[in-house]
Amino acid sequence: GQNIDQPTEMTATEGAIVQINCTYQTSGFNGLFWYQQHAGEAPTFLSYNVLDGLEEKGRFSSFLSRSKGYSYLLLKELQMKDSASYLCAVSTDSWGKLQFGSGTQVVVTP
Amino acid sequence: DTGVSQDPRHKITKRGQNVTFRCDPISEHNRLYWYRQTLGQGPEFLTYFQNEAQLEKSRLLSDRFSAERPKGSFSTLEIQRTEQGDSAMYLCASSWTASQETQYFGPGTRLLVL
Repeated sequence: GQNIDQPTEMTATEGAIVQINCTYQTSGFNGLFWYQQHAGEAPTFLSYNVLDGLEEKGRFSSFLSRSKGYSYLLLKELQMKDSASYLCAVSTDSWGKLQFGSGTQVVVTP
Repeated sequence: DTGVSQDPRHKITKRGQNVTFRCDPISEHNRLYWYRQTLGQGPEFLTYFQNEAQLEKSRLLSDRFSAERPKGSFSTLEIQRTEQGDSAMYLCASSWTASQETQYFGPGTRLLVL
């Protein structure tokens, strides 16, 4: 079967760093996406990895290891507005179909 | 460019009724996707279009569900004879043609079946 696993919830303090891990086993792989989703809102794109390594974009970085079926999203200098669900998604075919994990709820405390 | 839009944003219906949702993608995007999301879960793929052609339907999409994209622009998702288990957020996303292009999501239609 196909699985994308990520922790259910993480709590961190404002200004700290949090790392959200994602492991995947899918029948196809055309890249891995991270989306942020605030409660009741649409997912918004954060990052994309298709080659191994680290992609940095401001306070957010994402890492991919295809051989290990593993990715992480690193959130630095956490702000209260970063409290949201973070979704790991794998593009599983050439048409861009996404398979999502269940999301990691990040709670940022003062 | 106002992004992906969906209508209605909320829909309450009684079991057994038919409902139809509309999605207007970003105007230059060839691909359009429908997903369903329930509370505490990530979105689940339902179906997608390349222009007006429907390329794949998930096994989640029973015969009560039908989607169209008649002119390769907006799309509709219809659910016939709704059931309580259909209650969910229905998300639409669009992207350029290339497989690695980012999908941009609309705000979703939240359906509640009583």
